[in-house]
Amino acid sequence: QQQVKQSPQSLIVQKGGISIINCAYENTAFDYFPWYQQFPGKGPALLIAIRPDVSEKKEGRFTISFNKSAKQFSLHIMDSQPGDSATYFCAASNSGFNKFYFGSGTKLNVKP
Amino acid sequence: GAGVSQSPSNKVTEKGKDVELRCDPISGHTALYWYRQSLGQGLEFLIYFQGNSAPDKSGLPSDRFSAERTGGSVSTLTIQRTQQEDSAVYLCASSFGQGTYEQYFGPGTRLTVT
Repeated sequence: QQQVKQSPQSLIVQKGGISIINCAYENTAFDYFPWYQQFPGKGPALLIAIRPDVSEKKEGRFTISFNKSAKQFSLHIMDSQPGDSATYFCAASNSGFNKFYFGSGTKLNVKP
Repeated sequence: GAGVSQSPSNKVTEKGKDVELRCDPISGHTALYWYRQSLGQGLEFLIYFQGNSAPDKSGLPSDRFSAERTGGSVSTLTIQRTQQEDSAVYLCASSFGQGTYEQYFGPGTRLTVT
């Protein structure tokens, strides 16, 4: 059973637009939700993360929205740039941080 | 400072052979994770080390997979009797340890089983 479901699989956005990627989870024991950015040939890099005690976290152009009751969280990239073109993964972990469950990834293409 | 390094970067092996993949975590990081990323897929958790101990090995796909960590530093993932379905990118990540969240990933080892 997939613990974290991510959509869409791919996304095309015009430069300056808003990119939105969604994730849903089942396990209510999860309490840490990071987003990772991965460029081809590289390992993933942490972009932004949220704990369930807040509904939103913003860092620059990147915002996580978290809906605990719906067990959903999303990444919003404002003013998307061609340099943002990458694959994005959501993930979830419990408080022990001994196991992370990743979504299947979203390949974002920002067109100039 | 240096990031997480992995070797080899690419490995091509014949079906049935054993392979060893190495991970050098960031100095001082006590937690170490191994993941498998199949083509176009997300990351599949394999195993977690806190120091030299791996409290949960349930993510390893079969008993052909094993991992160890020595001196609280370098880790080796061993796949015995490789199968074609083992072909994937194997990623290693490290972090300061429990209570500290950010995982730093290495570039991965691309394993191809022919």
